[in-house]
Amino acid sequence: EVQLVESGGGLVQPGRSLRLSCTASGFTFGDYAMSWFRQAPGKGLEWVGFIRSKAYGGTTEYAASVKGRFTISRDDSKSIAYLQMNSLKTEDTAVYYCTRGLHRVDYWGQGTLVTVSS
Amino acid sequence: QSALTQPPSASGSPGQSVTISCTGTSSDVGGYNYVSWYQQHPGKAPKLMIYEVSKRPSGVPDRFSGSKSGNTASLTVSGLQAEDEADYYCSSYAGSNNFYVFGTGTKVTVL
Repeated sequence: EVQLVESGGGLVQPGRSLRLSCTASGFTFGDYAMSWFRQAPGKGLEWVGFIRSKAYGGTTEYAASVKGRFTISRDDSKSIAYLQMNSLKTEDTAVYYCTRGLHRVDYWGQGTLVTVSS
Repeated sequence: QSALTQPPSASGSPGQSVTISCTGTSSDVGGYNYVSWYQQHPGKAPKLMIYEVSKRPSGVPDRFSGSKSGNTASLTVSGLQAEDEADYYCSSYAGSNNFYVFGTGTKVTVL
């Protein structure tokens, strides 16, 4: 059974950093691109970014709203994807979801809440 | 990058059909066959219902179908059931500058 479990969310002050982790199981992690999405309270979904599999260079892409502040990485040996979030803003407050795939995002984690507030 | 336009709400009685539209531009919906639809129940993670315009992942009932015409994609839910009451979001690939854009979301109510 495919499982994605996010961790690392919490309350953080504006301007500070936070790193989210996504631990995967039930599939060959290294074969898949991994994406992050977010959903602000009471709002719609927003794509944050993704990291390609090593077979496709392991490169990353980001939404304009987070480019230069957020970094996605992966450790295929541990089946973990990371979302490093720097220079956090109040508008980054959201539930962050880790997902598998790109054009076919077929599995989602349960999400982890990040609250940016002083 | 502008969000794709969906109606805020849609409704139908059990057994009826409901169709949700998702309108974008030639730079997203109209330019690629990478439209997905997600179902989200309150407090839960989204669930993929349709990908690549009209393909259903295994386990998704065939009551759910997708299509596209020009810059507008559609999701049809036939034979509405109580458990279909949820928020539905469309998403489209929007090229290598913007990658993915989402719809504004539609709340489906089963009367």
